[in-house]
Amino acid sequence: EIVLTQSPTTTAASPGEKVTITCLASSSVSNMYWYQQKSGASPKLLIYSTSSLASGVPDRFSGSGSGTSYSLTINTMEAEDAATYYCQQWSSNPLTFGSGTKLEIK
Amino acid sequence: EVQLVESGGGLVQPGRSLKLSCLASGFTFSNYGMNWIRQAPGKGLEWVASISSSSSYIYYADTVKGRFTISRDNAKNTLYLQMTSLRSEDTALYYCARVGYGLRMDAWGQGASVTVSS
Repeated sequence: EIVLTQSPTTTAASPGEKVTITCLASSSVSNMYWYQQKSGASPKLLIYSTSSLASGVPDRFSGSGSGTSYSLTINTMEAEDAATYYCQQWSSNPLTFGSGTKLEIK
Repeated sequence: EVQLVESGGGLVQPGRSLKLSCLASGFTFSNYGMNWIRQAPGKGLEWVASISSSSSYIYYADTVKGRFTISRDNAKNTLYLQMTSLRSEDTALYYCARVGYGLRMDAWGQGASVTVSS
């Protein structure tokens, strides 16, 4: 099983600040996916195939990485971006998620 | 509009069974694989099971293998999760999710709550 380790676990950012969330895989994966989950809501796809923006996602979000190291970046933090973010891989079974990064607004 | 609506959740005693349904609309259900993902209270996301568009391929997490069965009825646009021998650790919100192009989960339901308790 591929274990995904996210960091930080919790963070806070001021409006306009740049935020980066990291996801390290225990073995190499070919693609990474990122989901946003706001409080009381279902997860929403943000990034697929490592760096492609899902439909309707603002372009202040971006993804990058390869091999065992991936990241999600929010270029300029907005209040509506406060949420928990999960990375996910399905390069090999079982499909696994990172443990999540809670992002709060300062 | 793509919609996934789960139903069938509830309170059940340990060792008993429960069957969840996920009704799909707004897309050609038979063209997509589907996943069940769960989230225990205050915890992260955990993959439960996957089924391909024609039910040819089915996979389970080790934590539910032998107890849960994923299935689908393409004529009814419905995904199912039959859960047996339920344990307290199965308590969670269960989401169905569509597996889109490139294995992305691009649509999620609102979740069905399952509580296993005596």
